[in-house]
Amino acid sequence: DTGVSQDPRHKITKRGQNVTFRCDPISEHNRLYWYRQTLGQGPEFLTYFQNEAQLEKSRLLSDRFSAERPKGSFSTLEIQRTEQGDSAMYLCASSLAVGGYTFGSGTRLTVV
Amino acid sequence: GENVEQHPSTLSVQEGDSAVIKCTYSDSASNYFPWYKQELGKGPQLIIDIRSNVGEKKDQRIAVTLNKTAKHFSLHITETQPEDSAVYFCAAPVGNSGGGADGLTFGKGTHLIIQP
Repeated sequence: DTGVSQDPRHKITKRGQNVTFRCDPISEHNRLYWYRQTLGQGPEFLTYFQNEAQLEKSRLLSDRFSAERPKGSFSTLEIQRTEQGDSAMYLCASSLAVGGYTFGSGTRLTVV
Repeated sequence: GENVEQHPSTLSVQEGDSAVIKCTYSDSASNYFPWYKQELGKGPQLIIDIRSNVGEKKDQRIAVTLNKTAKHFSLHITETQPEDSAVYFCAAPVGNSGGGADGLTFGKGTHLIIQP
């Protein structure tokens, strides 16, 4: 499979727990993006990496959220002390150049 | 930052008819405008995009038009088929680059329903 891979597909967690999601981009893509999508809305930009450097963070990304891309390949998104408002689909996308993003199928997080 | 408005929120057309979805944006520096199709349980899939040096781009039954003066762009689907039923999103660049490298701001989506 040469697409963007996200793991897990679904995650149910109790409020207050920490969760971590993984994204494996298309191998030759140097840019990697995280988005959040709630029901009936478009994806909302969270953050992006060029290689291993995190270059931009949205104000939506509170201090409970942290993202890493340690070797410029896969990325992780961690949410600490989850809240019910964190329930959403977390989408990862990658690109080689400007535009032309390829999205993964997302990780659906449910906080109970 | 960029603000993207998308209309309509729901569009129902007869199979074989055309569908048009419109978006407006606020940042005149933006120069890259993609359209995505999202099916249930899947991530958005890029179907067509346009850069500001052209006014129209076509790919088989799908076309996008751009009016930079008015800051709006539209998706046109002709000869609609049942498999065109999905949610469609427009987007424009977030940030200062204008080209989308810093991320995209998405519209709220249009649920396109193709009636048999």
